[in-house]
Amino acid sequence: AQKVTQAQTEISVVEKEDVTLDCVYETRDTTYYLFWYKQPPSGELVFLIRRNSFDEQNEISGRYSWNFQKSTSSFNFTITASQVVDSAVYFCALSEGETSGSRLTFGEGTQLTVNP
Amino acid sequence: EPEVTQTPSHQVTQMGQEVILRCVPISNHLYFYWYRQILGQKVEFLVSFYNNEISEKSEIFDDQFSVERPDGSNFTLKIRSTKLEDSAMYFCASSYQGSFEQYFGPGTRLTVT
Repeated sequence: AQKVTQAQTEISVVEKEDVTLDCVYETRDTTYYLFWYKQPPSGELVFLIRRNSFDEQNEISGRYSWNFQKSTSSFNFTITASQVVDSAVYFCALSEGETSGSRLTFGEGTQLTVNP
Repeated sequence: EPEVTQTPSHQVTQMGQEVILRCVPISNHLYFYWYRQILGQKVEFLVSFYNNEISEKSEIFDDQFSVERPDGSNFTLKIRSTKLEDSAMYFCASSYQGSFEQYFGPGTRLTVT
C-alpha cells in the first residue's frame, strides 16, 4: 500500500531563511509519481511540481528546489530566501502506476510559517 | 487559463439531509476525482471517475456517497444522509488523458449541524 510521511508538522522561520520540507514515501510499484501541493490560508490546493520515479534529476524553479532520492524514498522541498507569502500548508503526494487516473495519496502536511 | 470550479463554496446542512456538491471540471479532461479534507487534517481520496463510471473508490466512499456526470460539463458528489463527521472541505479535481497532474477546484466547505 502506498504511504506518504511528512514528519514535520509545523515549521516556523524568519523571512529570508532557507527551509526544507521533508517527505518520505512508501510504494511497491516501480512506476510512480510524486507531487508537492501548496495550500495557502484561502484553502485551495496549488500544484507545485510532479516527478516520476525514473527521473531523479533535481529541479529548481526560482526560489523552489526539489531533491528526489530513490535510495532513501525521499522527495524533499527547499524554499530559498523564504518570504511571508510562502506561509501555507505544504502537502507531498504520491500516485502509483503507469496510467492516468490513479488516486493521489497525501501526506499529513507541513504548516510553514514565515515571520517578517 | 481554464480551471476547475465548484459550487457552492460553503454549504450548511442538517444531519440526515441529502446534499449535492457540484463541480465543473476542465473541459478537455477525462478523469474526475473527489477528495475531502477534514479541518486540520490531510487530504483524502474518495473516488475517481472515468468513461462514465467509477474507476476507483476508497473505503470512505460507502453507500452514502454517489457520483454522477449528469451532462457534458458537471460532475456531482451526493451524500444521501449526512452525518456530523461528513463536515469537511470537499475538493473536486480533474486530469486529462496521459497526464498525472490533477487540477483541483477551490473546494466546497460542508458543515453538518
